[in-house]
Amino acid sequence: DSGVTQTPKHLITATGQRVTLRCSPRSGDLSVYWYQQSLDQGLQFLIQYYNGEERAKGNILERFSAQQFPDLHSELNLSSLELGDSALYFCASSAVGGGRNEQFFGPGTRLTVL
Amino acid sequence: DAKTTQPPSMDCAEGRAANLPCNHSTISGNEYVYWYRQIHSQGPQYIIHGLKNNETNEMASLIITEDRKSSTLILPHATLRDTAVYYCIVRPSNFGNEKLTFGTGTRLTIIP
Repeated sequence: DSGVTQTPKHLITATGQRVTLRCSPRSGDLSVYWYQQSLDQGLQFLIQYYNGEERAKGNILERFSAQQFPDLHSELNLSSLELGDSALYFCASSAVGGGRNEQFFGPGTRLTVL
Repeated sequence: DAKTTQPPSMDCAEGRAANLPCNHSTISGNEYVYWYRQIHSQGPQYIIHGLKNNETNEMASLIITEDRKSSTLILPHATLRDTAVYYCIVRPSNFGNEKLTFGTGTRLTIIP
């Protein structure tokens, strides 16, 4: 158990809909990261928040957005869903920044868009 | 970030040491070598990381060559639960550059 929790575990929805994925980082961790894993693209970094502020952006679509709240939990919002958005979405957290800090991953949310 | 090259797959007998190689010939002086693994579709799991010196923890050992252009992850006594995809990742040490760039990794299969 990494200490990172994600809800829901599974999500099935239709094209055009909007969903929200939730992540609670390990106690004390200030950084939260979101990653997407699809069959054709592998594991890809989407976005990072540090203590409530956006810190880095990866290959995140404009239809996707995220935020980190004062209690440090984070939400990833996916809108106007397409079939290709079906994937595993992982959240990770780390204590601070810099290259010496390992990231701890949650169990993921499996999103299926029909 | 420096690119890494790993063999796509490897087999290892249960109880033997599993040695997973990684090439990172363009690594910079401020970049760490990280290893993560992913068992089936679970969240990736941190294993170990290093900068210049060899490192050991309860899970594995990391051997980095003197020129830092390659490294080897060693699982000393592989068990069936070590079957997973192993990712070698090179990551800068500066703040603001913490994202992990995953490649295709090595699929390690432990044979009973």
